Amino acid sequence: ILNVEQSPQSLHVQEGDSTNFTCSFPSSNFYALHWYRWETAKSPEALFVMTLNGDEKKKGRISATLNTKEGYSYLYIKGSQPEDSATYLCALYSGGGADGLTFGKGTHLIIQP
Amino acid sequence: DADVTQTPRNRITKTGKRIMLECSQTKGHDRMYWYRQDPGLGLRLIYYSFDVKDINKGEISDGYSVSRQAQAKFSLSLESAIPNQTALYFCATSPTLSGLAFNEQFFGPGTRLTVL
Repeated sequence: ILNVEQSPQSLHVQEGDSTNFTCSFPSSNFYALHWYRWETAKSPEALFVMTLNGDEKKKGRISATLNTKEGYSYLYIKGSQPEDSATYLCALYSGGGADGLTFGKGTHLIIQP
Repeated sequence: DADVTQTPRNRITKTGKRIMLECSQTKGHDRMYWYRQDPGLGLRLIYYSFDVKDINKGEISDGYSVSRQAQAKFSLSLESAIPNQTALYFCATSPTLSGLAFNEQFFGPGTRLTVL
């Protein structure tokens, strides 16, 4: 069973501030890394799928970086807004004949007005 | 219109009962997955299917079975439900693009199952 760790577990941020959080994974099992945003009472929705070491992806105020050699990814949110409040999940795809994703427990982000 | 639908959305049942959760998709994706989510834990993979007639066990398949009746339908069954199967269950789909297996997954709205 792969170990995908996310930190912090929860985070309170003032509206307008920028923030970031971490996803760690075993680098030897890396094939692809997914980030999902999960709002309360809704379904998880994909933000990014990343495969290349050093890759950086951006969607509006949200961006992510990837370091496959050391086994981590950062998610950044610039100028947080109340609508950014959600749980952010990262998930590792390890390939090797096994499909499906191994998810971390998520970072629960609350933006305070 | 929802692309991935799950029925029922909520279900309360008793220990020992057989339960079926259904998932349908209109996205035309070949890959389908069942996950469960428990408080304090990440989503965990139960079963997945690459295609009709292809069924694969995930991390926590014991106590569950699945059926891929058509490309668009993937059902999860609990043959004899037990209280520790109380959880939020998600179905997900993904396409195989360019022969790659790790494309983003699209999740249904979830089924909240309570086993008393």
